[in-house]
Amino acid sequence: DSGVTQTPKHLITATGQRVTLRCSPRSGDLSVYWYQQSLDQGLQFLIQYYNGEERAKGNILERFSAQQFPDLHSELNLSSLELGDSALYFCASSVDPQAGGELFFGEGSRLTVL
Amino acid sequence: AQKVTQAQTEISVVEKEDVTLDCVYETRDTTYYLFWYKQPPSGELVFLIRRNSFDEQNEISGRYSWNFQKSTSSFNFTITASQVVDSAVYFCALSYKAAGNKLTFGGGTRVLVKP
Repeated sequence: DSGVTQTPKHLITATGQRVTLRCSPRSGDLSVYWYQQSLDQGLQFLIQYYNGEERAKGNILERFSAQQFPDLHSELNLSSLELGDSALYFCASSVDPQAGGELFFGEGSRLTVL
Repeated sequence: AQKVTQAQTEISVVEKEDVTLDCVYETRDTTYYLFWYKQPPSGELVFLIRRNSFDEQNEISGRYSWNFQKSTSSFNFTITASQVVDSAVYFCALSYKAAGNKLTFGGGTRVLVKP
């Protein structure tokens, strides 16, 4: 158990819909990262937050947005969903983004868009 | 740009055989970190090891060992006497300070250990 909690574990929805994925980082971790794992793109970095502020952005679509709340949990919002958005979405956390430490990953949220 | 290449997409071995997973990385930074993660069939990503760019000492942990060579930009991973439970996808990853610690992953190597 990494200590990172993601909900929901599985989600099935239709094209055009909007979903929200939630992540609670490990206790004490200030930094949260979102990754997308799809068959054709592998593990892709989406976005990083540190103590409520956006720190780095990767290949995140404009239809996607995220935020980190004062209690440090984070949400990833995916809107106008397309079939290609079907993937496993991981959240990870770390203590200090400058320290080069390992990221601890949640179990992922598997999104299926029909 | 930072890049991690795992040339082997899939390796199949029989139990008790050794298996070595290759990882080659590219980065212009002098301070960087290398990682290996395991993704078993259940799907979670499990941290295995972290190495910083200034520490080329090889490491052994049980049946796992890692060989870091800056001269060839490689960070290879060997599983000795493989077991069925080692069947998983293994990812090599790179991070560097300037990027706020985000990981750049290789494409992964699927290891299948047959009994």
